[in-house]
Amino acid sequence: GAGVSQSPSNKVTEKGKDVELRCDPISGHTALYWYRQRLGQGLEFLIYFQGNSAPDKSGLPSDRFSAERTGESVSTLTIQRTQQEDSAVYLCASSLATGFSETQYFGPGTRLLVL
Amino acid sequence: AQSVTQLGSHVSVSEGALVLLRCNYSSSVPPYLFWYVQYPNQGLQLLLKYTSAATLVKGINGFEAEFKKSETSFHLTKPSAHMSDAAEYFCAVSDRGFGNEKLTFGTGTRLTIIP
Repeated sequence: GAGVSQSPSNKVTEKGKDVELRCDPISGHTALYWYRQRLGQGLEFLIYFQGNSAPDKSGLPSDRFSAERTGESVSTLTIQRTQQEDSAVYLCASSLATGFSETQYFGPGTRLLVL
Repeated sequence: AQSVTQLGSHVSVSEGALVLLRCNYSSSVPPYLFWYVQYPNQGLQLLLKYTSAATLVKGINGFEAEFKKSETSFHLTKPSAHMSDAAEYFCAVSDRGFGNEKLTFGTGTRLTIIP
């Protein structure tokens, strides 16, 4: 079946603009995760969803970042008033359920460049 | 809080030689540990995971890793490197704490295979 998909694959924007990043998880996966990967760094957890609820938003860097999930499917990560330090690859993952041993399946990422 | 340290941001080995990628973890409780691989322009793919069933874990593409509690290590090995193994490898830990669903990643090791 299809894996996790993300769109757009690349996004270039100007500082101060808002951007929306989309993630389509694997069908039937109840858990969805967002991570950020800055150049030369490891993955940084942002937020996760169980169903449409986000029990853990602890990784969101600032109030400019928000995310939602609808229909226990698609998720959108929104960055308002983008800054240059927001430039990174944003990765989405999904898993069949939450749980510390569940395998997370990753999408190819959205490469964001803020000029 | 849990963390992982990957020693060596870049590792080069000759084709046919042993691959050894190092990962040390820090966790207050026995963790679940993962190795992911990221091929160029692709998403992360699970290589293997340790969930306490056995200390020696075999994964895809001939990779394996051994959990050593006394050394707090989970090093990744492959007996004979292949050109197709060139990629970036990430070690990750998941805390067994209730409600802690995120993966904490190391900074990654880029593996280069020398023909």
